Amino acid sequence: EPEVTQTPSHQVTQMGQEVILRCVPISNHLYFYWYRQILGQKVEFLVSFYNNEISEKSEIFDDQFSVERPDGSNFTLKIRSTKLEDSAMYFCASRVGLANTNEQYFGPGTRLTVT
Amino acid sequence: AQKVTQAQTEISVVEKEDVTLDCVYETRDTTYYLFWYKQPPSGELVFLIRRNSFDEQNEISGRYSWNFQKSTSSFNFTITASQVVDSAVYFCALSGSGTTSGTYKYIFGTGTRLKVLA
Repeated sequence: EPEVTQTPSHQVTQMGQEVILRCVPISNHLYFYWYRQILGQKVEFLVSFYNNEISEKSEIFDDQFSVERPDGSNFTLKIRSTKLEDSAMYFCASRVGLANTNEQYFGPGTRLTVT
Repeated sequence: AQKVTQAQTEISVVEKEDVTLDCVYETRDTTYYLFWYKQPPSGELVFLIRRNSFDEQNEISGRYSWNFQKSTSSFNFTITASQVVDSAVYFCALSGSGTTSGTYKYIFGTGTRLKVLA
């Protein structure tokens, strides 16, 4: 069964460094998402991406964040200058695009630790 | 605005007890979707069920059952004869067109931590 994959599974970085989190969505999916979950809290929407552009972003997704689909398979989240409060689990998700299913498929997550 | 409320922060039960996890949602959309996910200690989100707003039939899958009631905007989840392996955080989520962009993003509740004691 196709699945969303994410690399790395765990990333440790120092405050102020740039990090890129990588995701490979399911191949025929058209919509892509990033969510964040700070330890012990709920999962929060960051951004959605469709047709090579951001379709919606949350208040969390400020200028320090960017997303890109550099080729036909990868979908990346870049944090330009990490802060301690960026420590969280980051989930990538994708969906086909048919409204009657609407189900997003989540990757296993990348745990980001900023020291 | 869309919102999901899981009022139960943590529930502890003894193995073989039944337990119900509550989920109440708010949305102005006429078409929307509700989901339940399980998050074990390893951290991944495990899909359990999807329901669309036009399908109010209750569903049973093994020891799991779901009660969707539009009249009370609730989508509750019951585990029958709970087992230690059911220990996890359970999230309810809502997705609807909700925005002009129609992204169908998920709005998650704060989760309920279920502890099943042997």
